Amino acid sequence: EIVLTQSPATLSLSPGERATLSCRASQSVTSYLAWYQQKPGQAPRLLIYDSSKRAPGIPARFSGSGSRTDFTLTISSLEPEDFAVYYCQHRSNWPPEHSFGQGTKLEIK
Amino acid sequence: QVQLVQSGAEVKKPGASVKVSCKASGYTFNDYYIHWVRQAPRQGLEWMGWINPNSGNTNYAQKFQGRVTMTSDTSISTVYMELSRLKSDDTAVYYCARDLLGYSSGWCSGWGQGTLVTVSS
Repeated sequence: EIVLTQSPATLSLSPGERATLSCRASQSVTSYLAWYQQKPGQAPRLLIYDSSKRAPGIPARFSGSGSRTDFTLTISSLEPEDFAVYYCQHRSNWPPEHSFGQGTKLEIK
Repeated sequence: QVQLVQSGAEVKKPGASVKVSCKASGYTFNDYYIHWVRQAPRQGLEWMGWINPNSGNTNYAQKFQGRVTMTSDTSISTVYMELSRLKSDDTAVYYCARDLLGYSSGWCSGWGQGTLVTVSS
């Protein structure tokens, strides 16, 4: 079973700053990694898939990078609406499971 | 636009079963797998499995095998997730979500509003 570990658990930044969130896999997931944003009381929203592809309608300030075991979500300049919890998710062909990391809370400093 | 509308909140006793529905609209129902993801209170996301609404084929996370059943009714564009032998730690919000690419890419794009299932004696 592949385990995803996200860091940091909480990130405190100000609007306009750059955010860098990390997701590490316990073994290689090649490029099969996605990032989601979740705000309180809302369903998650897909931001990035296949490590670096932006989902439809996602602003260009969100970008993803990485491969194998180390991945990064970058928000180039934080907007007030970006403060939320972010999850990474991997896709495994065998066993065919798509588990999530534990999340990073991005809060206003 | 893509819309997934789930059934309402449920309260169940330990040992009972719950069945949550997810009605799709705004796209060709048969062309996209549906995933189920749950979230316990103040916890992270947990992927439960997917269903191919067209064929009825399913794939469940190992943790839920033997307790979860996902089905579809193409005549009304609705999928169902039934969880049996409920325990208190099954208390969670259950989400359905459409696969981004159609087949099981695993990427969940277009989510239902969530259904709170509370398990309490």
